[in-house]
Parts: sequence; C-alpha cells; structure tokens
Amino acid sequence: SQQGEEDPQALSIQEGENATMNCSYKTSINNLQWYRQNSGRGLVHLILIRSNEREKHSGRLRVTLDTSKKSSSLLITASRAADTASYFCATRRPGNTPLVFGKGTRLSVIA
Amino acid sequence: EPEVTQTPSHQVTQMGQEVILRCVPISNHLYFYWYRQILGQKVEFLVSFYNNEISEKSEIFDDQFSVERPDGSNFTLKIRSTKLEDSAMYFCASSEASGQETQYFGPGTRLLVL
Repeated sequence: SQQGEEDPQALSIQEGENATMNCSYKTSINNLQWYRQNSGRGLVHLILIRSNEREKHSGRLRVTLDTSKKSSSLLITASRAADTASYFCATRRPGNTPLVFGKGTRLSVIA
Repeated sequence: EPEVTQTPSHQVTQMGQEVILRCVPISNHLYFYWYRQILGQKVEFLVSFYNNEISEKSEIFDDQFSVERPDGSNFTLKIRSTKLEDSAMYFCASSEASGQETQYFGPGTRLLVL
C-alpha cells in the first residue's frame, strides 16, 4: 500500500452532522497537510500539522496526528452542503521533498 | 489574498504536439512545483524547482518534460511530444520555503490529448 491512504473512500452524511476522514502513511514525515478539491477544480489547502504537533484546529476543522500509529484524522464539524468535495491528505518527508498525496475521500453532504 | 494562477484552464491538443502550460506563482515564493492528476486518480508529483534549477523530479518527469522560469514571474511546464496518457489535470504550486511550508496550488490546467 502507498503513502497517504485515506479512508473511507466515500462518505455521505446529512447536513449538520460531523464528518471524519482518516489518513494513514508509512514513512516518517515532516508534516501532513489536508487539501480539499471540488469536482474538477484545484486543490485548496486546509490545514498543516507538523510532526511534533498532535492536534490543530481551524474553524470547523480539527486535525489530529498520531506519529506512533502513522495516522491522521480530519474532522469537519456541523457539516454544510458546501463542504461536499474530495479531501486529500498529503505527507511531506524531512528535507526538501515533494508532497505525496493519498487517493482522497469523497464527501457528500446532503441538505 | 495572493494566489497561484495558471493558463490556460483547458487545452486540447493532438498526440505528438508540443504544449506549454503556464503558471504564475505567488510573488514572494521561492519554490515551485508541478503535479498532475489523471482523472479519478491521486495527485502525483512531477518536479520541483528552486534557484533556477530542478531540485527533484519523479519518474514521470522524463525527457519529454521540461520546466523553465523564463522571467521573474512565470513558471512553465513544456511537454515536447504529447502522448494520450499525458491527458490529466496539471497543477502548479509554490511555497515560501521548502520543508515545513505550505504549498499553495493553482486551479490547474486540464490537458486533453487526442
């Protein structure tokens, strides 16, 4: 399996519910980033969490990082229909290294 | 808020033709990247560029690909002789510094090779 694998692959929830997406990776990392992509559009950076951080918040987003388990989760609270998109985690190894993306989770929020 | 821009948004070309995809990174950023995303698949790294030279490239970035920073603002990706499998969304990204910093992505250029 590859670096930066998200699960679930697809998630469908009702507006107002919370959405949790998970990401696992294999190598040691410098940081982990979450991106959002609306259908056929560009990647929007959501949040970056460094390897020495365990939790980070930004608005309705909460990201956790467990380096011992090599996993991260993205929680979107009180979801809205506008949150419907694909969400990708991307890891960065130490040094000047490129981002390695997972396959993403497709989130559908039903109004 | 400053953003990365890319042109064109869509490009259709015939197999074997050369294409140039253009990007204007955020003005104070020093590191530039190209990624691609084949339809329905994950985003893949192509190349990173710093101080007017390639700093890293992936196996995808073969001799058909080249990058250039022709002036102080543009960053281009050239595909010399396109193949059908080059059809993808191509994303440019930039960051202030390498390592810890966030990479900001452009909206992408959708390339279709016929």
